[in-house]
Amino acid sequence: GENVEQHPSTLSVQEGDSAVIKCTYSDSASNYFPWYKQELGKRPQLIIDIRSNVGEKKDQRIAVTLNKTAKHFSLHITETQPEDSAVYFCAASNIGKLIFGSGTRLLVRP
Amino acid sequence: DAGVTQSPTHLIKTRGQQVTLRCSPISGHKSVSWYQQVLGQGPQFIFQYYEKEERGRGNFPDRFSARQFPNYSSELNVNALLLGDSALYLCASSSWSSGANVLTFGAGSRLTVL
Repeated sequence: GENVEQHPSTLSVQEGDSAVIKCTYSDSASNYFPWYKQELGKRPQLIIDIRSNVGEKKDQRIAVTLNKTAKHFSLHITETQPEDSAVYFCAASNIGKLIFGSGTRLLVRP
Repeated sequence: DAGVTQSPTHLIKTRGQQVTLRCSPISGHKSVSWYQQVLGQGPQFIFQYYEKEERGRGNFPDRFSARQFPNYSSELNVNALLLGDSALYLCASSSWSSGANVLTFGAGSRLTVL
């Protein structure tokens, strides 16, 4: 069945360092790949997304890359700040339904 | 402009009871999806509705049902509650943008089954 694997499950970085989260999807028909940030007790919030016809997208300190051949996509956060600490979820979508990864708990140490 | 609103925010039920959760989408959005998020896991797809018709169903038992009303609001019903149904139930409102279903989540309804 459809599946999205996400690594690592936890990530601890020093403030100012970069963080990278990687995901692999199984459904080759997936064409939309969003990333959500979820703070404790809050709703998931969309932080960046990428369509299948694009290889890379950047928004200030956040970037996402997509390799459709390998069915991999990654989230890159540069110059991390303590407020980046949260759980991050990747997802893959085909015709509306989102399949989520299991999440990465990011801790940015001041 | 109001975002996605859900009610109730928290509720406690006992095994075997029934629950109804409600969702109002962002104004102008015609599609609503429901997701279940168990503590420590990613959201799991339950249903998607568009223009009052079911457009997708996840791998959940028939105890789970939903509907969408003419004003595009939606209800999720769960019958014969089990302890394992304890979770955060998220409603998402979506707009189609460049062929992609961009979801905006509500704050969720946290269900505890005792």
